[in-house]
Amino acid sequence: EAQVTQNPRYLITVTGKKLTVTCSQNMNHEYMSWYRQDPGLGLRQIYYSMNVEVTDKGDVPEGYKVSRKEKRNFPLILESPSPNQTSLYFCASSGEPGQGDYSNQPQHFGDGTRLSIL
Amino acid sequence: TQLLEQSPQFLSIQEGENLTVYCNSSSVFSSLQWYRQEPGEGPVLLVTVVTGGEVKKLKRLTFQFGDARKDSSLHITAAQPGDTGLYLCVRVQGAQKLVFGQGTRLTINP
Repeated sequence: EAQVTQNPRYLITVTGKKLTVTCSQNMNHEYMSWYRQDPGLGLRQIYYSMNVEVTDKGDVPEGYKVSRKEKRNFPLILESPSPNQTSLYFCASSGEPGQGDYSNQPQHFGDGTRLSIL
Repeated sequence: TQLLEQSPQFLSIQEGENLTVYCNSSSVFSSLQWYRQEPGEGPVLLVTVVTGGEVKKLKRLTFQFGDARKDSSLHITAAQPGDTGLYLCVRVQGAQKLVFGQGTRLTINP
């Protein structure tokens, strides 16, 4: 089954304790992205990656790191989490090779990771 | 800065009624997507519109892209409780840089 898998789904942790949210896709997609969703603000892009070893900042990258060492994986790292990073996080992938203009292809989202930083 | 304005932000109507949700921007879109998100899940693509004036239909849902490609609308005919969810318009700004509207939370009451 084609899917984007995020782990963990829920995490409560404390300020300053490094954490990693994993994301994996099995669709051979070129592009992967991370978003955070906050009430009244919609989804905002944190980082995106157009290919292995190619990443770029989205609209709200401060306090986050990413890496794309393999095509299928795109982990989100919070080196020193703070309470303002409490949010619902989504990973997405798109860009199936040979299926036309990548910008018009659907984004496939994971089911989300709810992070609470105390 | 919010580049996409969706209205209304909240809408609660009775089953069988019609409704329209709007998505507006001050700048031109190259393409626009509509997604629906249900609780506990990620957004799922409903449609992509690319050409100014384009109209696409998905069963009881009708999507329209404005002639100037600065706005879009989603019209639902005879709404059903299964239409309940958060509807998001998304502007694709090339190289997979997406900008989301803040969403319209739709509730259809039986």
